[in-house]
Amino acid sequence: AQKITQTQPGMFVQEKEAVTLDCTYDTSDPSYGLFWYKQPSSGEMIFLIYQGSYDQQNATEGRYSLNFQKARKSANLVISASQLGDSAMYFCAMREPNDYKLSFGAGTTVTVRA
Amino acid sequence: KAGVTQTPRYLIKTRGQQVTLSCSPISGHRSVSWYQQTPGQGLQFLFEYFSETQRNKGNFPGRFSGRQFSNSRSEMNVSTLELGDSALYLCASSLNPGTNYGYTFGSGTRLTVV
Repeated sequence: AQKITQTQPGMFVQEKEAVTLDCTYDTSDPSYGLFWYKQPSSGEMIFLIYQGSYDQQNATEGRYSLNFQKARKSANLVISASQLGDSAMYFCAMREPNDYKLSFGAGTTVTVRA
Repeated sequence: KAGVTQTPRYLIKTRGQQVTLSCSPISGHRSVSWYQQTPGQGLQFLFEYFSETQRNKGNFPGRFSGRQFSNSRSEMNVSTLELGDSALYLCASSLNPGTNYGYTFGSGTRLTVV
């Protein structure tokens, strides 16, 4: 079964607007970590934001924030004030304890229009 | 602080050959993991090493192997290359095996099998 589901293959957003990327996950373990990565066309995976399952508050990192709804098992990424440089593929990932790996979703391509 | 270094960046090999990819983690990081990224299968976990021990292995044939050295540098080897092995191979290093530590990725090695 898929552990991470990203249902939006591609999205267009106008420069300076906000965009929300959906991510749902599946785990029975109470302890886990959720990550978002950005992958530009160059290929490198760039870490954006992390949310722990026991964290009480939603994570924020600059223009990135994570809308964490534990009961719904969702961890949506919000990018505020989009910039042209935000055009990339975005991946949601989860790490479970003693699993020693990240499970990735299929990714969402974001294209920012001027 | 140097990031994760992967060499070579690009590689073209012929079917049936073997290939070795190298990954130097961030200084102090003892966990190194490898991922294969293809358009059809997305990001798939290959294996993870910590202090020279393989702790987890993905669902790949035995042609895919890896190892980690005492200085935490890691190599992965693919023998008897097939056309389907063409992919971006990403290496990631992590400081700590706990769920709240993310991975820092390298720029990847793009392997083309002809």
